[in-house]
Amino acid sequence: EPEVTQTPSHQVTQMGQEVILRCVPISNHLYFYWYRQILGQKVEFLVSFYNNEISEKSEIFDDQFSVERPDGSNFTLKIRSTKLEDSAMYFCASRSGVDEQYFGPGTRLTVT
Amino acid sequence: SQQGEEDPQALSIQEGENATMNCSYKTSINNLQWYRQNSGRGLVHLILIRSNEREKHSGRLRVTLDTSKKSSSLLITASRAADTASYFCATRNSGNTPLVFGKGTRLSVIA
Repeated sequence: EPEVTQTPSHQVTQMGQEVILRCVPISNHLYFYWYRQILGQKVEFLVSFYNNEISEKSEIFDDQFSVERPDGSNFTLKIRSTKLEDSAMYFCASRSGVDEQYFGPGTRLTVT
Repeated sequence: SQQGEEDPQALSIQEGENATMNCSYKTSINNLQWYRQNSGRGLVHLILIRSNEREKHSGRLRVTLDTSKKSSSLLITASRAADTASYFCATRNSGNTPLVFGKGTRLSVIA
């Protein structure tokens, strides 16, 4: 069964460093998303991406964040200068034209 | 903004019992989806119910939707220890808007 994959599973970085989180969405899907979940809290929407551009973003998704779909299969989230409060689980998700949205296993980002 | 809010926050039952979790939301929706999350892991899609549907079944799962009350329930019948997880509802306002998640219900099924 096709699934969304994410790498790495765990990333530890120092404050101020740049990180890139990688996702491979399900191959025939058209809509791509990043969400995050701070430990013990609800899943929060960051950004949606469709037709090679951002379609919607939340207040969390400030200038420190960017997304890219560089090669038609990967979908990346970059955080330019990480802060302690960026520590969270980051989930990539994708869907086709139908409504079900499928999530990857997540990348746990720890900023020290 | 709309929010799905689940209750109870935590639920502990014996194996074999049924578990019912509820979700309320604030604005009109296109669909509502339920997800399961094992501790520290990813979100597994369980079931989607559209705004024009009232009930859906999938295996031991039964989901209802009452748009007049802006609420949904997830029933897991004959629970198993492996059902122990957090369960989230997520709503989509219209076709391409992002899912909005509730805080989840932590279900513990005791063998």
